[in-house]
Amino acid sequence: EADIYQTPRYLVIGTGKKITLECSQTMGHDKMYWYQQDPGMELHLIHYSYGVNSTEKGDLSSESTVSRIRTEHFPLTLESARPSHTSQYLCASSSSSNRSPLHFGNGTRLTVT
Amino acid sequence: DQQVKQNSPSLSVQEGRISILNCDYTNSMFDYFLWYKKYPAEGPTFLISISSIKDKNEDGRFTVFLNKSAKHLSLHIVPSQPGDSAVYFCAATADSNYQLIWGAGTKLIIKP
Repeated sequence: EADIYQTPRYLVIGTGKKITLECSQTMGHDKMYWYQQDPGMELHLIHYSYGVNSTEKGDLSSESTVSRIRTEHFPLTLESARPSHTSQYLCASSSSSNRSPLHFGNGTRLTVT
Repeated sequence: DQQVKQNSPSLSVQEGRISILNCDYTNSMFDYFLWYKKYPAEGPTFLISISSIKDKNEDGRFTVFLNKSAKHLSLHIVPSQPGDSAVYFCAATADSNYQLIWGAGTKLIIKP
């Protein structure tokens, strides 16, 4: 079954650690996105990609980086985690068809202590 | 400055009745609107969308209404079912690259 997977689901990590949040999709979608969302708040776009070797920063300033070496894989890396990075991170993908809906993974809940 | 506003953080509705979720926007360039539903510990799932050339779109129990002059859209769910209890997000875009602007969500609680 085609889907989008995020690992880990939950992560508690100390300040200063390097972390990578994984996101993979099996739908062959060209477009992939990373959103950040806090409880009761809107989703904010932090990174997106329209294809292999294409990455762009979103509206929300983020200290994270992304890569897109393969169509199906769009990992997000924080070089040095801080408590302000505590949030939920949602990965999504969509086809290249005009305004096709986003398909989301189940998210990674990150807590930095 | 929030361009998409969902002013009701939560809404409680009796099972079987109509649920009406509201969304206001400020950017007159928005031309495509979507509703997503989110259960706890899951990602949002797409529910229904509407283009600005329409004022209504219906899919089963879900209907979205768009009032461009008032910059307002609403999602109607009828009849409401227990499985509809979730957070509903409104999103809008004016962008051919499809950058969505999201509201903060409304938590819908369906009472038995």
